[in-house]
Amino acid sequence: GENVEQHPSTLSVQEGDSAVIKCTYSDSASNYFPWYKQELGKRPQLIIDIRSNVGEKKDQRIAVTLNKTAKHFSLHITETQPEDSAVYFCAATQGSARQLTFGSGTQLTVLP
Amino acid sequence: GAVVSQHPSWVICKSGTSVKIECRSLDFQATTMFWYRQFPKQSLMLMATSNEGSKATYEQGVEKDKFLINHASLTLSTLTVTSAHPEDSSFYICSANPGGADTEAFFGQGTRLTVV
Repeated sequence: GENVEQHPSTLSVQEGDSAVIKCTYSDSASNYFPWYKQELGKRPQLIIDIRSNVGEKKDQRIAVTLNKTAKHFSLHITETQPEDSAVYFCAATQGSARQLTFGSGTQLTVLP
Repeated sequence: GAVVSQHPSWVICKSGTSVKIECRSLDFQATTMFWYRQFPKQSLMLMATSNEGSKATYEQGVEKDKFLINHASLTLSTLTVTSAHPEDSSFYICSANPGGADTEAFFGQGTRLTVV
């Protein structure tokens, strides 16, 4: 089955700086890669996703890059704000399956 | 976006009792729903895939007789934790994909189960 590894587990940045979180996946058949933000006790919220036919996607301060050859994808948050503080999860789905395999999560703290 | 509603949002039960958690798709039909479990400070782990009108598919290591899943209609899946024990205390969350494969998954609010 799919295995998703995520780094770092914790990340602290100063407000206004950029944050980068990286994930690798094992199954070359995976074709959909969402990123979620989860606040304590709440459901995961999709912040951006990318499909395997695209190398990069951007939405305002958030961007995701995908390297299919290397089987890794990254989340980039620019101009970080304290409200960006949360746990971020990457995930992958394979082929026609819709179940998500999640990374281990990154606790992002943006220091004011 | 699509709405997935989960109930209850939290429940406390005594050890040895059973607890039922409901997951409803409010504005779309879901032939497939997914159940995840999340322990504190950990990731979401898929427990099982709930299939409308047929048996659920359980992930390795998940006891099907302990975590009973019923998907009797196109908008409702239930997870029953039977003979709950303190180690079953966790955050249980369901999801569904109204758009099909490789599309956004929508999550329920989650259920915080505490077994005392």
